[in-house]
Amino acid sequence: NAGVTQTPKFQVLKTGQSMTLQCAQDMNHNSMYWYRQDPGMGLRLIYYSASEGTTDKGEVPNGYNVSRLNKREFSLRLESAAPSQTSVYFCASKRGNQPQHFGDGTRLSIL
Amino acid sequence: GDSVTQMEGPVTLSEEAFLTINCTYTATGYPSLFWYVQYPGEGLQLLLKATKADDKGSNKGFEATYRKETTSFHLEKGSVQVSDSAVYFCALSEYSGAGSYQLTFGKGTKLSVIP
Repeated sequence: NAGVTQTPKFQVLKTGQSMTLQCAQDMNHNSMYWYRQDPGMGLRLIYYSASEGTTDKGEVPNGYNVSRLNKREFSLRLESAAPSQTSVYFCASKRGNQPQHFGDGTRLSIL
Repeated sequence: GDSVTQMEGPVTLSEEAFLTINCTYTATGYPSLFWYVQYPGEGLQLLLKATKADDKGSNKGFEATYRKETTSFHLEKGSVQVSDSAVYFCALSEYSGAGSYQLTFGKGTKLSVIP
């Protein structure tokens, strides 16, 4: 029972490079979320997908794009990485008004 | 909009001490309330929840009561252990339309328990 799986766990990029963070859940949840966690800021919502085929912006969407590939997978893409995007990224999923389940995070550093 | 305010840390306690982490919220409707815990190097895990006024959530010796009159959801534990050292997040969930419920988090409180 894997829950929410994020890959990679760690990544270092140079400014201007692009990359995609992957997230997959095996709990048949409808809703999926991407957050970033920065010191003293708590978790801030980047994008979410209420159901397969839909995506919406959260609190801090600039510089990111997302794809809800199917019900299981929700990817986050940085087209041109900037040092301000150095953070820990968490994916989460849930059903209805049940609590969210979180992955273990991707630690991303941009030089 | 919705917001969650929790006491700033870090909080350092001796083992077996009493713990309180304060959390207050603002919301337009009737949110569900949660406490999540994050151990070093890991993601967030649900610790406990309450879905309506006067509900008490409890788990692993931690408790929190949904107080609508004071818009609060304070986390308490009678006797902390070294293994409770972690970051604790208060959060609320409210319906935001189109079948979606959004979580709003507090900024987190880091707890360190020393032997």
